[in-house]
Amino acid sequence: KNEVEQSPQNLTAQEGEFITINCSYSVGISALHWLQQHPGGGIVSLFMLSSGKKKHGRLIATINIQEKHSSLHITASHPRDSAVYICAVKGSNYQLIWGAGTKLIIKP
Amino acid sequence: EAGVTQFPSHSVIEKGQTVTLRCDPISGHDNLYWYRRVMGKEIKFLLHFVKESKQDESGMPNNRFLAERTGGTYSTLKVQPAELEDSGVYFCASSRMGMNTEAFFGQGTRLTVV
Repeated sequence: KNEVEQSPQNLTAQEGEFITINCSYSVGISALHWLQQHPGGGIVSLFMLSSGKKKHGRLIATINIQEKHSSLHITASHPRDSAVYICAVKGSNYQLIWGAGTKLIIKP
Repeated sequence: EAGVTQFPSHSVIEKGQTVTLRCDPISGHDNLYWYRRVMGKEIKFLLHFVKESKQDESGMPNNRFLAERTGGTYSTLKVQPAELEDSGVYFCASSRMGMNTEAFFGQGTRLTVV
């Protein structure tokens, strides 16, 4: 069992829908990252969280340290949001432990 | 400010050959990390440099992989000799000193060993 689990693995939705991607982890962490990877592209950091909630445009990330769970929400989804969204946690050292990613497709 | 750059973007080599991947971090970033994703699996940590020193190389798969960061600027990751299972995407990231500073990622190098 991976130390970082994401769900769902794949998600297809219609434009405008509210999207939620979940991340659960089993290790103690100092921070949690949400990252985005477009097809053929590199990785872009969306958020780094250690508590509470962060918002950037239509993206919202929350984390519950006690429950070891984080969610990434996308409001008013758009086809350009289609990408792989990856959760990664940083433990007591500098290493990132990565989830498998969630492939999101937003249809027009 | 230039981002993290990696070279080459793609490399196709034959089994047994040598390949060297390069990562140029953001200027002033002392932390440099190498990660890789092999087909169908999660991205895995390879190693971490602080300036020119290897802070953690626990993720390096075997002694066919050699990473260097001479002078604490750019880093190279050499695979010699390459094997089929080395195929994947190799990512580099850099960050300033500090436990929870933001990491910036390169575009990755897609390595295919045939």
